[in-house]
Amino acid sequence: SQQGEEDPQALSIQEGENATMNCSYKTSINNLQWYRQNSGRGLVHLILIRSNEREKHSGRLRVTLDTSKKSSSLLITASRAADTASYFCATERNEGGSEKLVFGKGTKLTVNP
Amino acid sequence: NAGVMQNPRHLVRRRGQEARLRCSPMKGHSHVYWYRQLPEEGLKFMVYLQKENIIDESGMPKERFSAEFPKEGPSILRIQQVVRGDSAAYFCASSPQGFYEQYFGPGTRLTVT
Repeated sequence: SQQGEEDPQALSIQEGENATMNCSYKTSINNLQWYRQNSGRGLVHLILIRSNEREKHSGRLRVTLDTSKKSSSLLITASRAADTASYFCATERNEGGSEKLVFGKGTKLTVNP
Repeated sequence: NAGVMQNPRHLVRRRGQEARLRCSPMKGHSHVYWYRQLPEEGLKFMVYLQKENIIDESGMPKERFSAEFPKEGPSILRIQQVVRGDSAAYFCASSPQGFYEQYFGPGTRLTVT
């Protein structure tokens, strides 16, 4: 099955609320990255967390990584309408002798004004 | 510093024609990756190239698809004899070193009629 499964698939919240998105994976990883994609656009890198890190912050973003549970979460605090987008986690892992990034299907976040 | 450039942004081809997608990485980046995205799906890795070398093409169909990254000029993803199932958004990303943070282009939306 697919590496990097995000949940929920869709999330709708009010402006000012916090949004939490989760990502699970199955094999060991080198690092995990979160990306954002606005409708019809390319992906924008948000944050990278290495396998030996547990938590990382960037502005209103907070990412956690639990390698024992093979899961990560992305928290967006005090959400804004402009945060409306799809959010993808991507795991960097060694596969077939080569490293690659494997993306999940994403969480579609809608922040209502 | 210009970001990753892709052209064309939209491409319409009839079944059986050839599609050529171009990607110019960010200045100073020598690693290029191509991904394909179907509607409501995450990105699927296709191929990873460095200048004049294909590092990993495990995600690319063996037939009709090819990619190159010449010493001079953009990276090219070429799809011969396109079929309707090739309709998708194709994204290129670049990085200064292998599988570090990747910078994405705006994508090329291919429609096969």
